[in-house]
Amino acid sequence: DTEVTQTPKHLVMGMTNKKSLKCEQHMGHRAMYWYKQKAKKPPELMFVYSYEKLSINESVPSRFSPECPNSSLLNLHLHALQPEDSALYLCASSQGFFREGENGYTFGSGTRLTVV
Amino acid sequence: AQKITQTQPGMFVQEKEAVTLDCTYDTSDPSYGLFWYKQPSSGEMIFLIYQGSYDQQNATEGRYSLNFQKARKSANLVISASQLGDSAMYFCAMREVPMDTGRRALTFGSGTRLQVQP
Repeated sequence: DTEVTQTPKHLVMGMTNKKSLKCEQHMGHRAMYWYKQKAKKPPELMFVYSYEKLSINESVPSRFSPECPNSSLLNLHLHALQPEDSALYLCASSQGFFREGENGYTFGSGTRLTVV
Repeated sequence: AQKITQTQPGMFVQEKEAVTLDCTYDTSDPSYGLFWYKQPSSGEMIFLIYQGSYDQQNATEGRYSLNFQKARKSANLVISASQLGDSAMYFCAMREVPMDTGRRALTFGSGTRLQVQP
């Protein structure tokens, strides 16, 4: 299995809702990443987990809360989002935080989030 | 300052012709990696090719090759024999490990939208 699976593919939520994005990989990768991509812009790093521990938080607002329950699963909990948080949220994984193979980072197909 | 610069917002190429997408980068880290990804309208990021900073030869993967000029800090992607399915956004990305932060993740350029015309 060489895939990163993200669910749901599309999500519409109100500003008072609580929702979660899910990311799963079964490649034995020990580093997992959340990126945010606004329309016509490059992906921007949000969080990095290495060996199930949060290694990097790129000053992301607390309304985004990441969680890594095990080495295969990464969640992003969303609460009280703003319309400007509407974007494509991409998950990625790599063999390790301190090393990666030539294939480097495997990305999921993303969750398109719309906040209304 | 921009770490990764892609100066071509959009490119057109005729089907079956070759096209070069430009990428320059800036780093003081002696060990770094350069990646190219393709992103179709569906949103997924598809890995195309990788070049390590210590690699002596330019990377090749099928119709993709990377023209790596280390002294100029450029890593241009060459797509040979373009196909209609190559129409997409293309991102150049760099992985570096600065000594001060130890962070290791990908930083992306602004992207080039490639359109292949029949």
